[in-house]
Amino acid sequence: LAKTTQPISMDSYEGQEVNITCSHNNIATNDYITWYQQFPSQGPRFIIQGYKTKVTNEVASLFIPADRKSSTLSLPRVSLSDTAVYYCLVDSSYKLIFGSGTRLLVRP
Amino acid sequence: NAGVTQTPKFQVLKTGQSMTLQCAQDMNHNSMYWYRQDPGMGLRLIYYSASEGTTDKGEVPNGYNVSRLNKREFSLRLESAAPSQTSVYFCASSQTTGELFFGEGSRLTVL
Repeated sequence: LAKTTQPISMDSYEGQEVNITCSHNNIATNDYITWYQQFPSQGPRFIIQGYKTKVTNEVASLFIPADRKSSTLSLPRVSLSDTAVYYCLVDSSYKLIFGSGTRLLVRP
Repeated sequence: NAGVTQTPKFQVLKTGQSMTLQCAQDMNHNSMYWYRQDPGMGLRLIYYSASEGTTDKGEVPNGYNVSRLNKREFSLRLESAAPSQTSVYFCASSQTTGELFFGEGSRLTVL
């Protein structure tokens, strides 16, 4: 199981782009990188998943360098409603372990 | 579309009591999971079921048992509840590894 390291917390302002980086030095060849968002009192919600290079969907982009030892979740033009905890998971098995996550606070 | 449904949503138990948390998914997913989340903390995996008929221990299985009743349902049982099991319990399901769909959570308080 690859261990992940994320910043504990980040602050931003509305309208800014936010980049949250996750380190996973021991990532295995078959591992995928998945990001989740969790609001208070709710279960986590899938945001984006990737294996290499760049993946983009309607809410975020995921950048993965060639060595795959880190990944960056990019949230364009954040709003107050993006205040949440963001988790990075790295695995290819069924035993899906969450790390501590990054608590993002978006200020007006 | 209901997705992942957990019952009950709230429960208060006394130390030593037993109870079962129920989880059902209607997405025809093969894999199902139980996590717990203590206040201000991340999620910890209790048990998971990669497919119907199989269950495996996660990070914190002690004090819990699970049953994968069929493809849709995955229950979590506390045989003798302890205050340390006060937490929010989340059930999740997945068709592919990594993309989990979560229920709304079950809030358990053990006095």
